[in-house]
Amino acid sequence: NAGVMQNPRHLVRRRGQEARLRCSPMKGHSHVYWYRQLPEEGLKFMVYLQKENIIDESGMPKERFSAEFPKEGPSILRIQQVVRGDSAAYFCASSPTGDYGYTFGSGTRLTVV
Amino acid sequence: GQSLEQPSEVTAVEGAIVQINCTYQTSGFYGLSWYQQHDGGAPTFLSYNGLDGLEETGRFSSFLSRSDSYGYLLLQELQMKDSASYFCATNTGGFKTIFGAGTRLFVKA
Repeated sequence: NAGVMQNPRHLVRRRGQEARLRCSPMKGHSHVYWYRQLPEEGLKFMVYLQKENIIDESGMPKERFSAEFPKEGPSILRIQQVVRGDSAAYFCASSPTGDYGYTFGSGTRLTVV
Repeated sequence: GQSLEQPSEVTAVEGAIVQINCTYQTSGFYGLSWYQQHDGGAPTFLSYNGLDGLEETGRFSSFLSRSDSYGYLLLQELQMKDSASYFCATNTGGFKTIFGAGTRLFVKA
């Protein structure tokens, strides 16, 4: 079992460009979560998805950010027109049950220049 | 609001015992989890307390008191490799888990 796979590990974008972050959950895990982490800070919940459904997006900014988890393929976190404040580590996690014991991916470190 | 409070950092010596506390205030509570994160790495799940009491997993133990909205992570026989950030977390219902800001543990020789 390959675990939660995220790519790319590092992503550099210029202000105004789009960033697309990918996450493949562990096999058999139907619950997918995205978290954002700023340096020296905790993990901030962004969005919770199941296949083809966004269950809770209360932590995601209303503008420029979107997430999906299609029937086939990885979950995608998309940030349009990136700004310097979007620079952070973005972690994806998956769970078989959704209650505890999440497995995290290695994260994508986004740098906006 | 919903929050978990934990100390920002703790320092201990190799071989010692250290306790990292976590108090929480949430509208829903479905147990307390602990995660470890090394610099530049991914958070990894350590333990979960669904009910009051102590859970032991090797050198790590975790405790929960729901009446006090309080829990702690206990690390015994500290090793240098235990230097990391430790996060308490809780599921607030609806399968959404929120995390504390983390406690940075420094283990000195």
